Amino acid sequence: EAQVTQNPRYLITVTGKKLTVTCSQNMNHEYMSWYRQDPGLGLRQIYYSMNVEVTDKGDVPEGYKVSRKEKRNFPLILESPSPNQTSLYFCASSLQGRITGELFFGEGSRLTVL
Amino acid sequence: RKEVEQDPGPFNVPEGATVAFNCTYSNSASQSFFWYRQDCRKEPKLLMSVYSSGNEDGRFTAQLNRASQYISLLIRDSKLSDSATYLCVVSRNNDMRFGAGTRLTVKP
Repeated sequence: EAQVTQNPRYLITVTGKKLTVTCSQNMNHEYMSWYRQDPGLGLRQIYYSMNVEVTDKGDVPEGYKVSRKEKRNFPLILESPSPNQTSLYFCASSLQGRITGELFFGEGSRLTVL
Repeated sequence: RKEVEQDPGPFNVPEGATVAFNCTYSNSASQSFFWYRQDCRKEPKLLMSVYSSGNEDGRFTAQLNRASQYISLLIRDSKLSDSATYLCVVSRNNDMRFGAGTRLTVKP
């Protein structure tokens, strides 16, 4: 089954404790992206990657890191989480890039930072 | 001002009703337009693309007005299963911008 898989789905952590949210897709998509979704603000892009070893900042990259060492994986790293990073996070992938509109999303990871 | 703006709703309509959502965008250079659907606590999924000439997919009709910079989605004969949040998405140079969404509840 074609899918984007995120882990963990739910996480409660404390300020400053490094964490990684993994994202994996099995569709051989070149494009992958991370978003956060907050009430009233919609989906905001954190980082994206057009291909292996190519990553770029989105609208809200501060406090996050990513890597793209393999096509299928695009982990999101919070080196020192803070309460303002409490949010719902989505990973997405696309075969031909964003302009086609067909973004496939993971089920989301709800993160709470105390 | 947000780049993509939507009325957050909620829209509460009875089954069988026709409901329309509008979305405005600020960047006149925007190239591609889409509607996504997001169920409560779920991931967004592409509902339909929006073309300049307007397009229809069953009970759903999407329209684009480039001059006024707005996009619309019309849902006819609403079903209970149409209850969801509808996200307007605007793309320019491979940069996609999401609206905050319009919440629809269809009631029996």
